[in-house]
Amino acid sequence: EIVLTQSPGTMSLSPGERATLSCRTSQTISSSSLAWYQQKPGQAPRLLIHGASSRATGIPDRFSGSGSGTDFTLTISRLEPEDFAVYYCQQYGGSPLFTFGPGTKVDMK
Amino acid sequence: QVQLVQSGAEVKKPGASVRVSCKASGYTFNSYDITWVRQAPGQGLEWMGWISPYNGNTNSAPRLQGRVTMTTDTSTSTAYMDLRSLRSDDTAVYYCARFYLERRSSSYSYYYGMDVWGQGTTVTVSS
Repeated sequence: EIVLTQSPGTMSLSPGERATLSCRTSQTISSSSLAWYQQKPGQAPRLLIHGASSRATGIPDRFSGSGSGTDFTLTISRLEPEDFAVYYCQQYGGSPLFTFGPGTKVDMK
Repeated sequence: QVQLVQSGAEVKKPGASVRVSCKASGYTFNSYDITWVRQAPGQGLEWMGWISPYNGNTNSAPRLQGRVTMTTDTSTSTAYMDLRSLRSDDTAVYYCARFYLERRSSSYSYYYGMDVWGQGTTVTVSS
């Protein structure tokens, strides 16, 4: 079973600061199988990144993804007020077929 | 516009079953697979299963196998998720989402992520 671990669990930052979120998988996965989502309270998740580094349609370029193998990163270059949310990484293709990480909450300092 | 619209909130007793529907519009239903994800109160996202509207193939999370059934009605572009033998820990918001998998070779597929989500359906299991 592929397990995804995200760190930190919570990060407290101010608008304008840079956020670096980590996602580690328990087994090597293809970069083409890694996605990132943003979720705000009371809303459905929103796709940010697919293929580890490709922004989804309409996603601002302050969001970027990187990584390979077992270590992946989501970076928000300059936090906007609307970016304070929970972020999940997700893999496809392992066992089980889809797995989500536990999430990283980015809250306002 | 492309959207998935889910059925309304449900309240069920333990041991009962629930059906959640997910109606697609704005795109060719058969061209994207549908997945189901749930979120218990205050918790993270849990993948439940997926179905291909194109050929009806399904796959579900091991911990839910035997209790969850996913189907589609291509004539109405609607996906359904049935969950049986409900327990209190099945209380959650249930989401459907579409995703696209591009098979680029016999051994390699590119996953475009779950790009469109339903609004969520709250299922409460309580005696």
